[in-house]
Amino acid sequence: DTGVSQDPRHKITKRGQNVTFRCDPISEHNRLYWYRQTLGQGPEFLTYFQNEAQLEKSRLLSDRFSAERPKGSFSTLEIQRTEQGDSAMYLCASSSRTGSSYNSPLHFGNGTRLTVT
Amino acid sequence: SQQGEEDPQALSIQEGENATMNCSYKTSINNLQWYRQNSGRGLVHLILIRSNEREKHSGRLRVTLDTSKKSSSLLITASRAADTASYFCATGRNAGNMLTFGGGTRLMVKP
Repeated sequence: DTGVSQDPRHKITKRGQNVTFRCDPISEHNRLYWYRQTLGQGPEFLTYFQNEAQLEKSRLLSDRFSAERPKGSFSTLEIQRTEQGDSAMYLCASSSRTGSSYNSPLHFGNGTRLTVT
Repeated sequence: SQQGEEDPQALSIQEGENATMNCSYKTSINNLQWYRQNSGRGLVHLILIRSNEREKHSGRLRVTLDTSKKSSSLLITASRAADTASYFCATGRNAGNMLTFGGGTRLMVKP
């Protein structure tokens, strides 16, 4: 179990540029989540995949944000035309689907910290 | 929007003391989880309590859940400097959707 890995760890970009982040989940996990966290706050849900299907998206995910999970393995999160308000830590998490009706614990990566100047 | 609210927002104690953090939430849930986050890192799962459970223990952690009051508490006994971190509660409505996190309690344990 190598854990959830995210790349890059830090990204500094100028306003208006596009950025893309990558997440590699734990290999046997079929669920993948993206959260955003600003300083001093808890993580806010952005979107969630089960295998390659994007099952839920938050209203926070404006049309400048797009996420993909081709082949149900790694995922990318792209932000187009970045704004200063996009500066945050972007966290990826994965979990396995069980037969239980309860949420499986999430395994988080260490995040990508985005700074938009 | 965040479902849970942690109280207090910040807590500073001496090593060896107990730390209690509270979480309140708004809608019905079927499970509540607590996570820990060290500065600049991802969150680590600590414990899950189901809606039909009232108390759960894991090592030095004790979690209670009162669904009638829509609240939960996390107790860390005999705290250590290494327990210094932010602690978040997260609620889930069912296995098919996401967890919703609170704003966190920042715990500092002084050696």
